[in-house]
Amino acid sequence: DAGITQSPRHKVTETGTPVTLRCHQTENHRYMYWYRQDPGHGLRLIHYSYGVKDTDKGEVSDGYSVSRSKTEDFLLTLESATSSQTSVYFCAISESGAGGQGVDTQYFGPGTRLTVL
Amino acid sequence: SQKIEQNSEALNIQEGKTATLTCNYTNYSPAYLQWYRQDPGRGPVFLLLIRENEKEKRKERLKVTFDTTLKQSLFHITASQPADSATYLCALSKAAGNKLTFGGGTRVLVKP
Repeated sequence: DAGITQSPRHKVTETGTPVTLRCHQTENHRYMYWYRQDPGHGLRLIHYSYGVKDTDKGEVSDGYSVSRSKTEDFLLTLESATSSQTSVYFCAISESGAGGQGVDTQYFGPGTRLTVL
Repeated sequence: SQKIEQNSEALNIQEGKTATLTCNYTNYSPAYLQWYRQDPGRGPVFLLLIRENEKEKRKERLKVTFDTTLKQSLFHITASQPADSATYLCALSKAAGNKLTFGGGTRVLVKP
């Protein structure tokens, strides 16, 4: 999985609780992404980062926030989890991306399965 | 609105035959199109990239075509093997430096 780890790999939580998912890379890639994958919707971009402390919203950002204080770590936070946020979450990295010069070929982590009861 | 469509029905195919998957898009003018493979419980893995000015790209038993007039890409797996069973995703970007948009994927099942 191209030097990308996600933690936790599985989590069950209750509605209204905060949840933070972590993505860690050892590739020193500039761009990092958070996606969610649901049946019938495919992969949808939540937030992405184009550098330390530089982040932007994706297609389905409501209810999510992100932070990137180091090149290697990208955190996704659900401030108050809802059942609609039950999903599989994937982190991805790329050398080039939005605003860059190269083509955005992405490398994905193993995913985190989140269940909100 | 922009739409990327892949056949949501699984493709069942006999070993040794060619599997052909389609990726259609509307309200979109992608400069690049990529194909990824995803196995159950794992993240997608990049396979091939094709640019808008390229008609065809090959990699081992894989072939991708890109027809900007038809707004369609075809993905072929020749001499298919049971190990090719997976879900295949297409992804488009408008230009270098733009975000990827993924289709819903097509599941392929190769039977021995």
